[in-house]
Amino acid sequence: QKEVEQDPGPLSVPEGAIVSLNCTYSNSAFQYFMWYRQYSRKGPELLMYTYSSGNKEDGRFTAQVDKSSKYISLFIRDSQPSDSATYLCAMKGTNAGKSTFGDGTTLTVKP
Amino acid sequence: GAVVSQHPSWVICKSGTSVKIECRSLDFQATTMFWYRQFPKQSLMLMATSNEGSKATYEQGVEKDKFLINHASLTLSTLTVTSAHPEDSSFYICSASLGLSGNTIYFGEGSWLTVV
Repeated sequence: QKEVEQDPGPLSVPEGAIVSLNCTYSNSAFQYFMWYRQYSRKGPELLMYTYSSGNKEDGRFTAQVDKSSKYISLFIRDSQPSDSATYLCAMKGTNAGKSTFGDGTTLTVKP
Repeated sequence: GAVVSQHPSWVICKSGTSVKIECRSLDFQATTMFWYRQFPKQSLMLMATSNEGSKATYEQGVEKDKFLINHASLTLSTLTVTSAHPEDSSFYICSASLGLSGNTIYFGEGSWLTVV
């Protein structure tokens, strides 16, 4: 079993929809949780970085972490075609430690 | 935001030759850099963790003699694929940690390697 499981998708939504992307994990030592966006043939771009449980909002993006359930989510409000990309969740146990990535969810937002 | 630059963006080489990929942190010092490999439609596979001034730590199954990593300064790490073969063709991405705590990681744009 993988340490990090991510909803595989692909996900296709109409423009303006609310998108929910999710990951579960098994390692209770994970404390730092990240979401990355990766456009085709490009390196990942950090979207959200959270520590421990709780919510964090940045514009149209909201990251949620529930450590008791070992479950994290990324919500995208008012989705735009430019949000079409692959979204990767990642997590690590220590500040400077290596990250463990999910396999990614490919999102397509249709105009 | 912090910028990590990778060079070259893409490279084609003949089988048996060696290829060097550079990863630079442009506006910050990175004590730790990570090297990943990514196959099409798959996630990132960590190859090694590179710390400035010391030997890289390789993940299980990654040949350290084939994938040579050098982190000579706080702003530059290099990955050399030695005696490349077609199965080494892949997307290679580096990342660098911002700050002493390494809280935030920024990725380079990646390097496409095709071995013919």
